[in-house]
Amino acid sequence: DGGITQSPKYLFRKEGQNVTLSCEQNLNHDAMYWYRQDPGQGLRLIYYSQIVNDFQKGDIAEGYSVSREKKESFPLTVTSAQKNPTAFYLCASSAPGNGGNTIYFGEGSWLTVV
Amino acid sequence: SQQGEEDPQALSIQEGENATMNCSYKTSINNLQWYRQNSGRGLVHLILIRSNEREKHSGRLRVTLDTSKKSSSLLITASRAADTASYFCATRDPGDYKLSFGAGTTVTVRA
Repeated sequence: DGGITQSPKYLFRKEGQNVTLSCEQNLNHDAMYWYRQDPGQGLRLIYYSQIVNDFQKGDIAEGYSVSREKKESFPLTVTSAQKNPTAFYLCASSAPGNGGNTIYFGEGSWLTVV
Repeated sequence: SQQGEEDPQALSIQEGENATMNCSYKTSINNLQWYRQNSGRGLVHLILIRSNEREKHSGRLRVTLDTSKKSSSLLITASRAADTASYFCATRDPGDYKLSFGAGTTVTVRA
């Protein structure tokens, strides 16, 4: 089935550790996004990529890093510089030029600092 | 970047009733989209309305857009328990690539 796969679903991080969240899509979409959602809050954009080997910072990029070496993959690394990383992370993709940039989301990854 | 603001923050209704929620935004837009999120899951696109449209329907959903007031409303008719979820509006500024989401309206439908 076509879609966006995020892994792992649940991840625990110790203080000072870097962790990487995986995001893979088989929708042949050019654009991919990472959002952060805190409990009871809306979504805030971390990074987005419109094309392979290119990405831009969103509204809350500090403490995060990404890469876009392949069209179908957009991993997010939460670095030790991110002081409050406990949150729900959502990966998404869209096809530019589809008339509205409808975004398709993965099922999310829960990150908890222990 | 601008962000839509939904109102109310939470809504509780009886099954069979209608649910209405509103979204306000600050600057001009190309389109406005509504998404739904079940607890602990990803968001699912519901409907998109373009800036030159005033009303759009999809099944039990009705969306209106008033660009003069910079506001949109989402109406869910004949609600069901399965409609229990959070609903978000999202906007994209002209010339911008990314979508900005509001904080959402949490809808609880009581059986």
